[in-house]
Amino acid sequence: LAKTTQPISMDSYEGQEVNITCSHNNIATNDYITWYQQFPSQGPRFIIQGYKTKVTNEVASLFIPADRKSSTLSLPRVSLSDTAVYYCLVGDGGAGGSYIPTFGRGTSLIVHP
Amino acid sequence: GAVVSQHPSWVICKSGTSVKIECRSLDFQATTMFWYRQFPKQSLMLMATSNEGSKATYEQGVEKDKFLINHASLTLSTLTVTSAHPEDSSFYICSARSPGLAGPETQYFGPGTRLLVL
Repeated sequence: LAKTTQPISMDSYEGQEVNITCSHNNIATNDYITWYQQFPSQGPRFIIQGYKTKVTNEVASLFIPADRKSSTLSLPRVSLSDTAVYYCLVGDGGAGGSYIPTFGRGTSLIVHP
Repeated sequence: GAVVSQHPSWVICKSGTSVKIECRSLDFQATTMFWYRQFPKQSLMLMATSNEGSKATYEQGVEKDKFLINHASLTLSTLTVTSAHPEDSSFYICSARSPGLAGPETQYFGPGTRLLVL
């Protein structure tokens, strides 16, 4: 079971790029890395998912080094609406198996004007 | 795509009553669904894994007789909080695992259900 560690909180300003790193030292070979965003009183929202190297979509980029023991979520030009808690989740992306999705404490990002 | 709904979005009930929460995957079939609870300022805590057509697997410390889970179809799982008490008041969130047609399976979450037991 891959345990994740993230900074508890981060502060940024509108227009800046924000990078949030997650450590997952005991990631398994078949584990994928998924990042979620959660606003108060809402369910987590899928942001991005990857296995290795770099993944980019319309809202974020995900950087994963060769050893896969960490990953970095990059949010370009954040706005006030990006203030939220961000979670990384590590687990088996394959069908079936013993996938037990366990969340860490997440990173509370506050974007200032 | 990959939308998960929950109903109701909030519920207030008296102590001792039972409350049922529904979780549906609207545009995909999910063989596996998960139930979480979340207290204020805390992370999501996995309660149980629900597999279609079989008994749910509960995490350590979660009472299976109190939190009844039924995964009757590939698009519906229900969580029933039996004989609810004030300490059961929390934010309950379900998720469904979407099959990876061109990639890995991904977990998508419902909007959550706020339960207040008086």
